[in-house]
Amino acid sequence: SYVVTQPPSVSVAPGQSAKITCAGNNIRSKSLHWYQQKPGQAPVLVVYDDSDRPSGIPERFSGSNSGNTATLTISRVEAGDEADYYCQVWDSYSDHVVFGGGTKLTVL
Amino acid sequence: QLQLQESGPGLVKPSETLSLTCTVSGGSISSSTSYWGWIRQPPGKGLEWIGNIYYSGSTHYNASLKRRVTISVDTSKNQFSLKLSSVTATDTAVYYCASVRRPHYAMDVWGQGTTVTVSS
Repeated sequence: SYVVTQPPSVSVAPGQSAKITCAGNNIRSKSLHWYQQKPGQAPVLVVYDDSDRPSGIPERFSGSNSGNTATLTISRVEAGDEADYYCQVWDSYSDHVVFGGGTKLTVL
Repeated sequence: QLQLQESGPGLVKPSETLSLTCTVSGGSISSSTSYWGWIRQPPGKGLEWIGNIYYSGSTHYNASLKRRVTISVDTSKNQFSLKLSSVTATDTAVYYCASVRRPHYAMDVWGQGTTVTVSS
């Protein structure tokens, strides 16, 4: 089945940009979604269909998808962005939802 | 505003069947724009997809759980349900229900989650 791989952790200083990657074979051919999960809370969709933002999500959150890697970029990182981030695709060959293992974003 | 709420027992004995219901409010479960999904998260671990259902009753299941999982929908009650049979301690997790946007399966609204512990 299809596999997507995320780095376990990313660290960034406040005000800088954070990039979280999601790697998979020819992932550009799939629609990629990103979720933010803070401790004790349900996940929240922050980017869908590679680069679209749901209403209420700050413009600081953006996404891209090219080749074998998709990227979530958080600009001007704030302390409140500290959370786990998950990427997700639909694999039409296996009819499965596939989640990445998650990336813990630490704001230094 | 669409809202989802999970309900069901918080404690299940090993070998028994876990049963949860998700109640949808602020929208219709018969919407053509959504599937409805179940996702779980074991303590300290990542998200695991369990399965999706469309209001017509068509389903997709995680192959690793397929032999034990049944997801059903009750359009008259605006609810969908999860049954997981023959549970063990490894099924202990927070269980979430979510609306799954067609056609690309983005999960745009989540329930708050419910903790299910498998223990005798």
